Amino acid sequence: ETGVTQTPRHLVMGMTNKKSLKCEQHLGHNAMYWYKQSAKKPLELMFVYNFKEQTENNSVPSRFSPECPNSSHLFLHLHTLQPEDSALYLCASSLGLAGATPGGGELFFGEGSRLTVL
Amino acid sequence: RKEVEQDPGPFNVPEGATVAFNCTYSNSASQSFFWYRQDCRKEPKLLMSVYSSGNEDGRFTAQLNRASQYISLLIRDSKLSDSATYLCVVRYSSASKIIFGSGTRLSIRP
Repeated sequence: ETGVTQTPRHLVMGMTNKKSLKCEQHLGHNAMYWYKQSAKKPLELMFVYNFKEQTENNSVPSRFSPECPNSSHLFLHLHTLQPEDSALYLCASSLGLAGATPGGGELFFGEGSRLTVL
Repeated sequence: RKEVEQDPGPFNVPEGATVAFNCTYSNSASQSFFWYRQDCRKEPKLLMSVYSSGNEDGRFTAQLNRASQYISLLIRDSKLSDSATYLCVVRYSSASKIIFGSGTRLSIRP
């Protein structure tokens, strides 16, 4: 059983809809991440949060809006998406910021939210 | 040129065979290296870290060649359950700079 839980697992939305993806980690980690995985492409880092503060926005379009109310929860708010945004959105957490702390490098992933934009 | 490159495969090998993957990275400032495994329609999971001196975990051996900027993964006595996509991951000194390769698909046949 994964220590990182994502909901919903599947989401279909129209381009004018507003929806949110939720991620919760039960591992006591301090850093949380959003990744996008499209078919035949590598995982793309979208956002990084450390102790609730955003430390990285990897040039993500503003139609994706992250929110991190505390170290255990991470949201991705979606609005006016495009069909090319259809992908698997993976949340991950790590003990510390990967690269900043020893042992902070291992990422624990949730099972992902598969998004289809019509 | 991609920052992290992997042969996408698929590698289709018989059970019991030895198979090796390579991964090259372009930035010499890379600090840490990992192999992750991703099963079909599942999330990636850490398989093993890659240390400078090389390291082994059961049937799996990882090696790092900083001079040539590549890492490798060797799987001996492959099992059907080894069928998955293997992701090469490179971490830079920047805290959030973690780059994934596109993955190498491995299929083990009976």
